[in-house]
Amino acid sequence: GQQVMQIPQYQHVQEGEDFTTYCNSSTTLSNIQWYKQRPGGHPVFLIQLVKSGEVKKQKRLTFQFGEAKKNSSLHITATQTTDVGTYFCAGISSGSARQLTFGSGTQLTVLP
Amino acid sequence: DAGITQSPRHKVTETGTPVTLRCHQTENHRYMYWYRQDPGHGLRLIHYSYGVKDTDKGEVSDGYSVSRSKTEDFLLTLESATSSQTSVYFCAIGGNTDTQYFGPGTRLTVL
Repeated sequence: GQQVMQIPQYQHVQEGEDFTTYCNSSTTLSNIQWYKQRPGGHPVFLIQLVKSGEVKKQKRLTFQFGEAKKNSSLHITATQTTDVGTYFCAGISSGSARQLTFGSGTQLTVLP
Repeated sequence: DAGITQSPRHKVTETGTPVTLRCHQTENHRYMYWYRQDPGHGLRLIHYSYGVKDTDKGEVSDGYSVSRSKTEDFLLTLESATSSQTSVYFCAIGGNTDTQYFGPGTRLTVL
């Protein structure tokens, strides 16, 4: 079945440093989504990418979808303590009845 | 946050007992999902529903059953709980787009 790999599993950064998490799928995706989960909380939808090579920005967050639609990345510029949490990518393969396959997540710690 | 609640929020039970978790939505969304979350595994799909009485298996469905008799409610049942089913369970809902909205979660401990 479809697999979505995400690296790194953990990342500690000093406040103000940049952060990137990478996501790779074993199959071509129709779209990819990113979610954030704060400690003790539930996953919250951040963004969806649909087009090959698409780049979207949300303030300090930049999301990319690869040309082959099999990989994606999330980059945070100048991290803040409010960025703490686990970031998940989730992909949908074509014709999969809206079933998301989640990556294992990257847990971000921001040191003040 | 979307109108989605889960009950109970915490439960401790013993091996071999039946357990039912409830997900309730007020958004009238067609799709509903049950996931489990375990360290190092992200979120894994257990079962999902695409309408009343329409359900299908996900990646880790063994030992679980579901029912959806009303649009707003999706029940997850562990017929005979095992320690390997200790986890955090999340319900999610989805509408006409692929985006999913998650409930607050249920922390289940099986002793």
